[in-house]
Amino acid sequence: GAVVSQHPSRVICKSGTSVKIECRSLDFQATTMFWYRQFPKQSLMLMATSNEGSKATYEQGVEKDKFLINHASLTLSTLTVTSAHPEDSSFYICSVPDRNGNEQFFGPGTRLTVL
Amino acid sequence: ILNVEQSPQSLHVQEGDSTNFTCSFPSSNFYALHWYRWETAKSPEALFVMTLNGDEKKKGRISATLNTKEGYSYLYIKGSQPEDSATYLCAPSGSARQLTFGSGTQLTVLP
Repeated sequence: GAVVSQHPSRVICKSGTSVKIECRSLDFQATTMFWYRQFPKQSLMLMATSNEGSKATYEQGVEKDKFLINHASLTLSTLTVTSAHPEDSSFYICSVPDRNGNEQFFGPGTRLTVL
Repeated sequence: ILNVEQSPQSLHVQEGDSTNFTCSFPSSNFYALHWYRWETAKSPEALFVMTLNGDEKKKGRISATLNTKEGYSYLYIKGSQPEDSATYLCAPSGSARQLTFGSGTQLTVLP
């Protein structure tokens, strides 16, 4: 399957700071990438769909001004958590669909802890 | 797609035992059912993608079945090994191809 990388794997920051998470598709170009979040003991929840060359599509309840998504190129999408607060502490993971859109390949995820 | 349920939530089995998990989902607006295996500190690994009612897929000792009419899928592991220990996630997708995940079944295989 495709290789998807994420950076950083773990980040600890102070409340009020912004954190940028990168998701890279290493094997093929991706016009679409997905961002998920997982709170402890809960399932992966889709946050937004990142679209190359256009605005991201956010799921209901996800603040677009809080979670800025930039699909800078066909291999890179970034998620910026702005003015992070402790309740933003979570596991963030991205995925890249294959060319047919039938399978999704996941990155290893980023553990964000906001103090 | 809402209300994806997986059972059991966790499971401990002895090495060599066979086991199975259940994923239930609403049958409306169904496109495909995905199974993933997720080991700690690694990326979720795709196991199967199934689309047709009655689909059965097999990969080594792991197999899965799909019933789209009643909205469930079973994952079977035959002769469990310690390396099978992981969280197994199911995720149906609708026409938009977006995945809705269940909370997973955490399997521990004891040597």
